[in-house]
Order: sequence, then C-alpha cells, then structure tokens
Amino acid sequence: SQELEQSPQSLIVQEGKNLTINCTSSKTLYGLYWYKQKYGEGLIFLMMLQKGGEEKSHEKITAKLDEKKQQSSLHITASQPSHAGIYLCGADIDRDDKIIFGKGTRLHILP
Amino acid sequence: DTGVSQDPRHKITKRGQNVTFRCDPISEHNRLYWYRQTLGQGPEFLTYFQNEAQLEKSRLLSDRFSAERPKGSFSTLEIQRTEQGDSAMYLCASSFLRGSDGYTFGSGTRLTVV
Repeated sequence: SQELEQSPQSLIVQEGKNLTINCTSSKTLYGLYWYKQKYGEGLIFLMMLQKGGEEKSHEKITAKLDEKKQQSSLHITASQPSHAGIYLCGADIDRDDKIIFGKGTRLHILP
Repeated sequence: DTGVSQDPRHKITKRGQNVTFRCDPISEHNRLYWYRQTLGQGPEFLTYFQNEAQLEKSRLLSDRFSAERPKGSFSTLEIQRTEQGDSAMYLCASSFLRGSDGYTFGSGTRLTVV
C-alpha cells in the first residue's frame, strides 16, 4: 500500500542488539496494527494501537503510536534469532475496520 | 477452535484453468477477509464479508475473481482463466466486527500458475 510506508525495507542486526522499525501513514490512522510473518506463512498479530501516545509491549517488543505524526514505531530490545521474520504494519485508514498493509520490513538476526 | 483454516496449502495449475480456494474462519467471527501477497510485498486487500454480505471488493480485482460466503461461515475464492500474474499467496483472515483484537490469519494458499 502506498498509504503506509515502512522503513527500513530490510534490517540485519547482531543478536542481542536493539532495533527500531517505523511505519508512516499518509492518511489519518483509526487503528494501527503490527503483525509478524515467517517466510511463506500466515501473519501473527502482535498488537494494536489506537490512541495517540499509546504504547504497548509484548515480551521484548514495544510499539508506540504518534497520532499527530501519523506514525508508529516498533522497538525490539535484545534481539534473538526468534525475532527474525517480516514485520508488517497495517492500518485502518478508511474507518471501516479494514486493514491496509505496508510492504513490510525483513529482519535478519545474525548469531 | 483451531483458528483460521485454508485449503489447499499449495496449488499448481496451468494457465487458463479455474481454481477455487476455501477458508474456514473462527466460528465466532462475523467478518472474513481475503488478501493476496506476492513476493517482497505486503498483503493486498481483495475483498471482505460481514456475515454473508460482501461489503467491499478491491478495484484491483478483475472480473475473473469471485468470492462467496454463502451461509456466513466458510468462504470460497474462485479465480477463472488463471494467468501467470495470479501466482501469489492468498491469505484469509477473520475477526469480530470491531477488530480491536486484530485479524486472525490462516496459513495461506500458495498458487503457482504455469
């Protein structure tokens, strides 16, 4: 989707390092979703953010929503090989509970 | 409930043939979504249902594609006269009306058109 831009497109980090993935919308966000996908498999729901300034955590993954900037960031602390995969942000931009996705960020963890 | 099931997992078909995929959502969910994903891209919205009603169909979807959810339970996605450009992963997801818990996705059906 061109409405959602993710950066970076791919990321290679050393195990144990922290990392951040960004998602920026060109339209107002009515809900921001983060998913993880293993190569060739379905998507796994991580978390959903709805209110400006909201922050949620799932294990070592934290996501924040900056409503004014129409942006969200996903931060992984002390990365592990199990964190490798594709991280997708999705958003409800038409206020109809339909999620539009970005192109994803491919994360590789080096042992 | 075992989650969202998709069948088949893989399908190889010759160009010009028709194919049909099935999705069984989580039984309590009243919304069902179809997405298509090609290599290196995010999932692209195709269509969605609320119970048996098809609420929206992507403008990118040609007339060769049709989806049904006859009794508000399982759904089928049919592609007629397949083309090589139809090769992709077809993902199904379901949710409650208000998706604050996100969608639950199936494992997808990988279609290869040769």
